[in-house]
Amino acid sequence: NAGVTQTPKFRVLKTGQSMTLLCAQDMNHEYMYWYRQDPGMGLRLIHYSVGEGTTAKGEVPDGYNVSRLKKQNFLLGLESAAPSQTSVYFCASSYQGGSGNEQFFGPGTRLTVL
Amino acid sequence: LAKTTQPISMDSYEGQEVNITCSHNNIATNDYITWYQQFPSQGPRFIIQGYKTKVTNEVASLFIPADRKSSTLSLPRVSLSDTAVYYCLVGLRAGGFKTIFGAGTRLFVKA
Repeated sequence: NAGVTQTPKFRVLKTGQSMTLLCAQDMNHEYMYWYRQDPGMGLRLIHYSVGEGTTAKGEVPDGYNVSRLKKQNFLLGLESAAPSQTSVYFCASSYQGGSGNEQFFGPGTRLTVL
Repeated sequence: LAKTTQPISMDSYEGQEVNITCSHNNIATNDYITWYQQFPSQGPRFIIQGYKTKVTNEVASLFIPADRKSSTLSLPRVSLSDTAVYYCLVGLRAGGFKTIFGAGTRLFVKA
């Protein structure tokens, strides 16, 4: 099992450009999450999904959109990138939802917006 | 969601036992306590989870007093490779949707 994979690993954007981050999991998990982590800080939840075809907002959803068309994939989109979105983005999945359920994380995508 | 409080950072030496305490005064009856470990440039990794008393696995032990308002992650005989950030989370195993990771505790192990 590959677990949780993320594409790409690194990306540099100019302000105003758009891009999509792809997350894939092969554990048949219902729940998937997108987090961002800024230097020296913990993870903040951007959006999450409780199953195929569903999405919901987390703590910091502004400037991001997501889609979960297939159970194994969770896409994070930036329509018009801003320097404030420079961060490391982590995707995670879990069998069930909530802080008490083990989440499996991907390796992260390091995004720089100039 | 129960709020958690843990020290910002801790230093230790190789071979010592390290105890990291997390306070969660507002823990609910059905909440579990979960700890994650994050190495630089990697995603967090589940270490251990417990509900009450003591839980032990090959990596760590988790001590939870009877009132469950705090918990202590114990790492026996740490090595340089245990240098990481450790996060304490409190919440439901099922039914809740949101997850809150605080700033965690940055453990630095010295030679």
